[in-house]
Amino acid sequence: ETGVTQTPRHLVMGMTNKKSLKCEQHLGHNAMYWYKQSAKKPLELMFVYNFKEQTENNSVPSRFSPECPNSSHLFLHLHTLQPEDSALYLCASSQVSRGRSFDGYTFGSGTRLTVV
Amino acid sequence: DAKTTQPTSMDCAEGRAANLPCNHSTISGNEYVYWYRQIHSQGPQYIIHGLKNNETNEMASLIITEDRKSSTLILPHATLRDTAVYYCIVRVADQAGTALIFGKGTTLSVSS
Repeated sequence: ETGVTQTPRHLVMGMTNKKSLKCEQHLGHNAMYWYKQSAKKPLELMFVYNFKEQTENNSVPSRFSPECPNSSHLFLHLHTLQPEDSALYLCASSQVSRGRSFDGYTFGSGTRLTVV
Repeated sequence: DAKTTQPTSMDCAEGRAANLPCNHSTISGNEYVYWYRQIHSQGPQYIIHGLKNNETNEMASLIITEDRKSSTLILPHATLRDTAVYYCIVRVADQAGTALIFGKGTTLSVSS
């Protein structure tokens, strides 16, 4: 365990389903992130939350809806997905402090999503 | 953030040192060099970072050239478990509103 827990580990959903991915961090960090990794592609940044506020939406389609109720929890709500959305979805957290070097991002193990 | 260039793949024999290069010729004075790795189907793992001095921790060493235009990550005694994709990322110290951007990295294969 890295201190960032993602559930579920695997998810299979139909294109008309609604599901949610959950991420929880126990590190006291104040920033959380969603990344997507499709097969044999680099990680793509999706969303950034700092102090519970969304500060970046990297042109992500509206069928992906993030929610950050507090600094320890991050959700990704999914609805009417397409087969091409099948990927590994990774959550990460970090401690943000302006102008100071940081120890690094901590990633969860990811949710392997398959859309059928 | 400055752009980085890494070889697509490298091989290393188990027990030998693995030296992974990274070019970042457009790095600016306040940008750090960070290294992460991703073992197959897992989340990336932070390895090490530095500004201009060489750095060492329990995982690896980071050697940054004097002009800061390139760096080398050294795994002193590579094991089979070090087989992974290694990412070199250059960016300013963390601040609100920014995030790590990953490139394609170097696929390191360690064999016995």
